[in-house]
Amino acid sequence: IAGITQAPTSQILAAGRRMTLRCTQDMRHNAMYWYRQDLGLGLRLIHYSNTAGTTGKGEVPDGYSVSRANTDDFPLTLASAVPSQTSVYFCASSDAGEPDTQYFGPGTRLTVL
Amino acid sequence: GQNIDQPTEMTATEGAIVQINCTYQTSGFNGLFWYQQHAGEAPTFLSYNVLDGLEEKGRFSSFLSRSKGYSYLLLKELQMKDSASYLCAFLSGDYKLSFGAGTTVTVRA
Repeated sequence: IAGITQAPTSQILAAGRRMTLRCTQDMRHNAMYWYRQDLGLGLRLIHYSNTAGTTGKGEVPDGYSVSRANTDDFPLTLASAVPSQTSVYFCASSDAGEPDTQYFGPGTRLTVL
Repeated sequence: GQNIDQPTEMTATEGAIVQINCTYQTSGFNGLFWYQQHAGEAPTFLSYNVLDGLEEKGRFSSFLSRSKGYSYLLLKELQMKDSASYLCAFLSGDYKLSFGAGTTVTVRA
């Protein structure tokens, strides 16, 4: 079934630990995105990648890093988690063509204690 | 700067019509999206407007006025399953989506 998968579904993490959230898409979309969603703030872009081998910073990149070694995978790493990174994280992808509709994965609920 | 506003909550009765307004400010604009998000789930695409006017898609319609920085999503013949959050988002000049905080619509019997 075509789409985007994310892992894990949820995670509780101690502050200071390193964590990688995984995202894989099988739609051969060029662009991929990581968002966090917090109550009252909506979705905010963390990092993005327009094509394999390139990445860029979004609105809230501090404390996060990404890589895009191939078209399908776009992992998000928290090098040293802090409680303010408690959030729901969504990965999304889009084709480079019009109208740049983004398709979202099911999300990862992360709690940092 | 970039800014996008939409009401926090709306309540309507099954079978009724609800209009969710969205206003935005941006220096560059490449279109306006509406997404639906049920509680605990991922956002799903509803509509896209890049030109002024009304786009109709079944029970859902979306309107855009670029000169006014204004859009609305119209939900007709409301059903219980339409209870969800509706996210307004504009595509900026550098092709990044900026989302509003979302409008939670509650449909009552």
